[in-house]
Amino acid sequence: NAGVTQTPKFQVLKTGQSMTLQCAQDMNHNSMYWYRQDPGMGLRLIYYSASEGTTDKGEVPNGYNVSRLNKREFSLRLESAAPSQTSVYFCATNYPDRELFFGEGSRLTVL
Amino acid sequence: ELKVEQNPLFLSMQEGKNYTIYCNYSTTSDRLYWYRQDPGKSLESLFVLLSNGAVKQEGRLMASLDTKARLSTLHITAAVHDLSATYFCAVEYGNKLVFGAGTILRVKS
Repeated sequence: NAGVTQTPKFQVLKTGQSMTLQCAQDMNHNSMYWYRQDPGMGLRLIYYSASEGTTDKGEVPNGYNVSRLNKREFSLRLESAAPSQTSVYFCATNYPDRELFFGEGSRLTVL
Repeated sequence: ELKVEQNPLFLSMQEGKNYTIYCNYSTTSDRLYWYRQDPGKSLESLFVLLSNGAVKQEGRLMASLDTKARLSTLHITAAVHDLSATYFCAVEYGNKLVFGAGTILRVKS
């Protein structure tokens, strides 16, 4: 039982390149989230999906797009990476009104 | 917009002593969560507090919630080295969790 799986775990990009972070969960949760973590700022919500077929912006959505491919998978795309997007990205899932379960994180560096 | 503030942001603890971390939030919410994060690792759920007056305890950690004061506390009893980590509180707001900045705990021998 893997829980929440993120790929890749590490990535280095040049400014302007694009990439997609993948997240898959086998917990049968409806809700999925993408957060970014920066030193001293906690976790900030980028996008979330309350159910298959729906997505909504969080606190810091600019520069990102998401796709809820099916109930299990929720991807985060950077169309034109910028150094300000250097961060650790976490995918999370939950049942409504319950705690989040997090993936291991994806560490992205944009040069 | 909900704001969540933790203090202190850094806490250097001596083994065997007691300490408290505070989590204040700006808008009404009945649900608050505490997480632990070890360096380079993911976040692990510690406590789920779902109502006013809720108190949860696990080992040397005890969390409580006062929704009227919009305050949660995480109390550490007789700190040990294994508790060194970063602790986050998160408040539920509109079906989303808003996190505090985190409190870095370091236990000194």
